[in-house]
Amino acid sequence: DAMVIQNPRYQVTQFGKPVTLSCSQTLNHNVMYWYQQKSSQAPKLLFHYYDKDFNNEADTPDNFQSRRPNTSFCFLDIRSPGLGDAAMYLCATSGELNTQPQHFGDGTRLSIL
Amino acid sequence: EDQVTQSPEALRLQEGESSSLNCSYTVSGLRGLFWYRQDPGKGPEFLFTLYSAGEEKEKERLKATLTKKESFLHITAPKPEDSATYLCAVQARTGKLIFGQGTTLQVKP
Repeated sequence: DAMVIQNPRYQVTQFGKPVTLSCSQTLNHNVMYWYQQKSSQAPKLLFHYYDKDFNNEADTPDNFQSRRPNTSFCFLDIRSPGLGDAAMYLCATSGELNTQPQHFGDGTRLSIL
Repeated sequence: EDQVTQSPEALRLQEGESSSLNCSYTVSGLRGLFWYRQDPGKGPEFLFTLYSAGEEKEKERLKATLTKKESFLHITAPKPEDSATYLCAVQARTGKLIFGQGTTLQVKP
C-alpha cells in the first residue's frame, strides 16, 4: 500500500545533541510537511516543501531545519534539542497545496534527556 | 484571524448511543474542511473532505456535514472501536491547514 513512513518511531536524544528524523513516501506527492504535536494539542506546522521549494512558518525556531533530497524523502534536523522540543513529530504529504487532503505518517516520538 | 474550535473537548458514550461532534471555524477563503481520526501514538488518519456548504459525506457509522460556519461529525450507533480523538482542520486561501484541538471520544461497551 502507498503510504507515509516515518523512522524511527521513537527517538531519545540528549539535551543539545543534534538529531535527525526521517520521512519517506510512496505516494509520489509534490508536497511534504513537518508538524510538531505536543500532548493533547493540535498539530503545529513547522514547514513544508513544494517539490524543492522550502517554506518555513514564521514562528518555527531556527533550531529546526529540513532537507528534501528527492521526491520520496524528507528529513527534519533539530540542531540543539531543548527539553521543550520533546513531542511527536508528524510528516504528511499531499498532491498539491490547495484542496487536497494531507496524509500523515505515524510520527516519531522524540524524548530529550 | 483564521480559527477552528471543536466541541466538546471530550465525549463519553455508551455503545449504540448516537451523538455529534462540532467544529466551528472562521477562515478567509475556505478551500476545504477536513476530518481526521487520531488513535493514541499514531498519526492522524484522513476521513473526509468537505468543500462547500450543504455538502455531506458518509463512511460506515460516520457522517460529516458542512455549513458556512461549522461542520458536524455525526456518529451513529458507535462501537468501542470508534474511540479516538477526532480532529477538524480547515484549509485557508494560503493552503495552510489550521487544526482544532480535537474531540476525544470514548465509547464504552
